[in-house]
Parts: sequence; structure tokens; C-alpha cells
Amino acid sequence: AQRVTQPEKLLSVFKGAPVELKCNYSYSGSPELFWYVQYSRQRLQLLLRHISRESIKGFTADLNKGETSFHLKKPFAQEEDSAMYYCALNNAGGTSYGKLTFGQGTILTVHP
Amino acid sequence: DSGVTQTPKHLITATGQRVTLRCSPRSGDLSVYWYQQSLDQGLQFLIQYYNGEERAKGNILERFSAQQFPDLHSELNLSSLELGDSALYFCASSARTSGGGELFFGEGSRLTVL
Repeated sequence: AQRVTQPEKLLSVFKGAPVELKCNYSYSGSPELFWYVQYSRQRLQLLLRHISRESIKGFTADLNKGETSFHLKKPFAQEEDSAMYYCALNNAGGTSYGKLTFGQGTILTVHP
Repeated sequence: DSGVTQTPKHLITATGQRVTLRCSPRSGDLSVYWYQQSLDQGLQFLIQYYNGEERAKGNILERFSAQQFPDLHSELNLSSLELGDSALYFCASSARTSGGGELFFGEGSRLTVL
């Protein structure tokens, strides 16, 4: 069965420090992976997807198929990065990319 | 606001009752998805509709059903409610049904079953 694991429920860092939110997955096929973010009082929204290989708000994530990981990284955290972050896997073989399996989420707090 | 809208925002009801949650997708989006978020299960995919037809199904209980209407809004019907059905129900929409893409989420409907 497909599974997404985010081992840290809570992560605290200071402003300017590097941050890494961990995500591991189990999936037998070719995965499509995403990071979604929910800022306080806002909707859940897409942060980035692995196929785009883009950097959004300074965040990057590299798919490591050998380690089955898709960790989210940012070299210098900002206070406005404080939010709930979800890693998600598209497990429908490309036939329905909205059928996502989500991790439990990590609450990131960036202290001033 | 042309984003995904969900009603009601909050709903409190009793066990055994039936409720209907409504979702209007973003203008032009043909796909609608329903997700359930509970404390113990996290965010779980329930069901997807594309242009009025069911496209994918997740771990949706038989007591739950959904449909998408010709104007593309969708309703999620929850019947014979149990305490464990208390959760936040999210609707999301997207323009495409396959391939990589972005889901746009609503603010959710919080259901409390007493």
C-alpha cells in the first residue's frame, strides 16, 4: 500500500537557520510527489511538485528514489514560513492526480 | 472570490442524522475532490468527480455518497452519522483530471457529530 511518512509532527528553528522537513514514501510505481502548505487562517495550497523542479519561496525538494524520500529544504528560514506542511503522493498511476495520499503533516515554527 | 467555496463552514448534528456538504469549484475547473481530515487519520481522499462523472474512489464509507451536478458544483452526503464521522471535510478542484497538476482547496466544512 502507498504510504507517506512525515516523522516530525513539530519542528522549531530560528530565523535564518536552515530547515529540512522530512518526507518518506512507499510506492511501487513511479511516484508524483508534492508539498502542500497551510498558513494560519489560509487554505491548503500547493507549495511545489517534484516534476517541476522549481524553487518556491526559497524552498526546494529533491526526489530521491533510492532513499524513497522527498525532503523539503530551505537554507534560511523566515518567520513567515511558519505553517503546517504536508507531503503528498499521487498514487493513481497518473489517471487521477488529485487522488493524493498525504502525510500527517509537520508544523514548522520559525522563531525570531 | 472565484476560489473553491464550501458550505456550511460549521455543522453540528446528532448521531443517526444525515447532512449534505456543498462545494462550488473554481470557475472553469471540471474536477472536484473530497477529502476528510480527522485527528487520527489525517487527510484522506474520499472521491473524485470529473465533469459530472465519478472518476476515482478512496476509502469512502457506504454511508457516504457524492455527486457532481451539471453546473459542476458537488455535494457530499453523509448519512447515519456516527461520532467518528466528526471531521473537517475539504473539497478541492482542478482543471485537469490526469497528469501532474495543482489542487485548489476550499476552507473546509467542520462537522461535529454529538
